[in-house]
Amino acid sequence: GQNIDQPTEMTATEGAIVQINCTYQTSGFNGLFWYQQHAGEAPTFLSYNVLDGLEEKGRFSSFLSRSKGYSYLLLKELQMKDSASYLCAAYNNAGNMLTFGGGTRLMVKP
Amino acid sequence: ETGVTQTPRHLVMGMTNKKSLKCEQHLGHNAMYWYKQSAKKPLELMFVYNFKEQTENNSVPSRFSPECPNSSHLFLHLHTLQPEDSALYLCASSQPKGTVGGYTFGSGTRLTVV
Repeated sequence: GQNIDQPTEMTATEGAIVQINCTYQTSGFNGLFWYQQHAGEAPTFLSYNVLDGLEEKGRFSSFLSRSKGYSYLLLKELQMKDSASYLCAAYNNAGNMLTFGGGTRLMVKP
Repeated sequence: ETGVTQTPRHLVMGMTNKKSLKCEQHLGHNAMYWYKQSAKKPLELMFVYNFKEQTENNSVPSRFSPECPNSSHLFLHLHTLQPEDSALYLCASSQPKGTVGGYTFGSGTRLTVV
């Protein structure tokens, strides 16, 4: 079966750093995606990790540990516009399928 | 605009109606997907099409019927729906290997069944 867990909600302050964790137990795992979704809008691609380690892209970084079934998304220098849901998703190469966690709703406060 | 266009954006239908959702992409992708997003639940994969062939049906009830006439268009035909089917229906597309560039999502159709 597929099981992906992430916190439901988080709150952080503008200018701060926040880490959103994701744990997964999936079959045929071949990579971990992070998406951002603002209310009423399409999810948009943030990052993809297939190898262990940290991938940095501007203010956003994503980390993967395959042996621990664990990933996190790190957001630095938070801005109000970063208030959104962040979706963790595991990719299954055999079926070309992406399975999503429930999403973490991040609220950035002044 | 993401490059994946879904119509209509909003749809209200009765339980005896028949309606269709449409998805269109011109990104050169050859894989397309339907997802259901309900409040407080994860995005649920419904159907996967690779090169116009359905490769995954995630135990979706037969009142949902997908159609993929070509690699650029995907439909979801709806009939005899239930109120619990009310949700945001998202279409996505990708290269056949979804890891190349990830999935691109449309903005969704907000469906309300009354």
